[in-house]
Formats: sequence, structure tokens, C-alpha cells
Amino acid sequence: QFLLVQSGGEVKKPGASVKVSCKASDYTFTSYAFSWLRQAPGQGLEWMGWINTYSGETNYAQKFQGRVFLTTDRFTRTAYMELRSLTSDDTAVYYCARDKNTGSAFFDYWGQGTQVTVSS
Amino acid sequence: AIQLTQSPSSLSASVGDRVTITCRAGQVIYNSALAWYQQRPGKPPKLLIYDASTLEFGVPSRFSGSGSGTHFTLTISSLQPEDFAVYYCQHFSSYPLTFGPGTTVDVK
Repeated sequence: QFLLVQSGGEVKKPGASVKVSCKASDYTFTSYAFSWLRQAPGQGLEWMGWINTYSGETNYAQKFQGRVFLTTDRFTRTAYMELRSLTSDDTAVYYCARDKNTGSAFFDYWGQGTQVTVSS
Repeated sequence: AIQLTQSPSSLSASVGDRVTITCRAGQVIYNSALAWYQQRPGKPPKLLIYDASTLEFGVPSRFSGSGSGTHFTLTISSLQPEDFAVYYCQHFSSYPLTFGPGTTVDVK
């Protein structure tokens, strides 16, 4: 079964950056696009951006433009999300998720989530 | 961005009940590009339905989806103990992708 395993929780100070990883269990990784989403405490789901692992093409939510950067490493089957200039409002669980089909941005596999806490 | 609203925001139900959740979009969602997810506490969301009415592989047949345009529904025909959770709709007809605010189904 396809699995996505994310890196562990992080505690950061305001103004810092965080980089979360998401490692896929097999080489079908390069056949899919991945999104990153987040969920603040007690809140709903927020889409942050999308990356095509084959082409490297990205699409970011306007809210995060210039602050979030998505990359992938095909050799290690890993996707990365870097978020810069953190504030307390960025405290959330961050998820990577795989598009079920090429061109269809809904998600059949999710990582387990990474808690990012921003606190001074 | 396409705004999604869900109703009700929460509901209380019993095992065996029929439950219906509505998702409304602020503009037409073309090609029925809507998905439904279930989220249990401390877990990532789980895909239930996509393309408004297609059941994801392995999801029990008591779950069904319908609708088009701006009005979509998720129905659980006979609620089971493991169905008490939060349910979200999500459109994928254009970027940015957005989610509804969620509907909590809890025990009556």
C-alpha cells in the first residue's frame, strides 16, 4: 500500500522558517502531483499549494505566495514544504497529500501530519 | 476562490440513522468536481467520494454522494459507530482548492 511518511513535529520562533518533508513508499511518487494543506487547532482544512513531481511545476494559494516553497527530490521520493516568516497564526498540523489522478486535485493518500508550533 | 458552505455545522444522530449533509458552492462547480472526506480526531482526512458521486475504493456502500452545479449532498444510509466524525467537502474545479468548514456528526 502506498504510504506517505512526514517528518516530526517542530517548534519555531516567530520569524523563523520551517521545512517539512513527506517521503513516499514507492517509485510511483513521480507519477503523481502532491499538495500541502494545513489545519489550525480546531479548524478546517486549508490548501496551501501543489507540485507536480515530474515537471516541478507549482501552484500556490495566493495567501501563501512568496512565503511557501514546494520542492521534490525524485531520487529519495520526498516532497518538501518550506514556510518562511512564521507567525503564531502558522501554528497548525501540516499535511502532504497525493492527487488521486493526474489533473484531478483531490486526495486519496495523506501523510500522518506534522505539528508545527510557532511560539516565542 | 470558490466558497463552500456546509449544513448543518453539526448534528447528533444514533446508530442506524440516515444522515444527510449539504455542501453549497458560491459559484458553479463544473464537471461535478467535488469530493467528500471523513476526518476522525487526530487523523488525516479520508477520501470517501469524488466527482460528486463516485465511491472511493474500499469505502462502504452506505456512503453516497449526489448533486451538481452549486448543490451537493453526502448521505450515510445507516450510521455506524465508526462514522461519528467530521465531514468536509472540497472542490477541485479550479485553483485555489477550497474546503467547506466541516460538519460534525456526534452521538445523540
